[in-house]
Amino acid sequence: GAGVSQSPSNKVTEKGKDVELRCDPISGHTALYWYRQSLGQGLEFLIYFQGNSAPDKSGLPSDRFSAERTGGSVSTLTIQRTQQEDSAVYLCASSFDQTYGYTFGSGTRLTVV
Amino acid sequence: RKEVEQDPGPFNVPEGATVAFNCTYSNSASQSFFWYRQDCRKEPKLLMSVYSSGNEDGRFTAQLNRASQYISLLIRDSKLSDSATYLCVVRSGGSNYKLTFGKGTLLTVNP
Repeated sequence: GAGVSQSPSNKVTEKGKDVELRCDPISGHTALYWYRQSLGQGLEFLIYFQGNSAPDKSGLPSDRFSAERTGGSVSTLTIQRTQQEDSAVYLCASSFDQTYGYTFGSGTRLTVV
Repeated sequence: RKEVEQDPGPFNVPEGATVAFNCTYSNSASQSFFWYRQDCRKEPKLLMSVYSSGNEDGRFTAQLNRASQYISLLIRDSKLSDSATYLCVVRSGGSNYKLTFGKGTLLTVNP
């Protein structure tokens, strides 16, 4: 597609449930990034993919968070046993390679109730 | 000290005003600098890169002072459509991939 596509756009889940967030980057973009933005806060880096490998997972807040990328394309961010503090907008971005600027998707707004 | 710090704002200005945003960064090895714009409940979008010599794009001027680790954005003749949050963004050296975002400064341009 022309842009970075994320789904779902909104997700409401009960505390303790698992959720999967999907990101479909721009075709040909080898670098993919996940960030999250809590209300009134800046963007917090979560994880970076170059191709299918994740050289930097340092931003994942806990072991409840994991991500994978397959075929050098689609990425899935999984949050297990969701907590209320996980509520945020999860943003995915891609770039042609690690030195280029990012294009962001429109995000997934996650609400844990 | 936070990696990227910005004026907390918010800024409220009348149409036609000139407004300046300031930002400092802590990592002296930082290599690339940007200003992003984020509209309410939307994703961030690249506004402009910031070069050492300073650069201009229409009503927008960006400046970088490496010695002071300081970045600025000047908006002249502000328009209602400039209302948004402006994010200062830095790419650090070394791994050269991760962008670190400031918290942003909210600008509201009033008629």
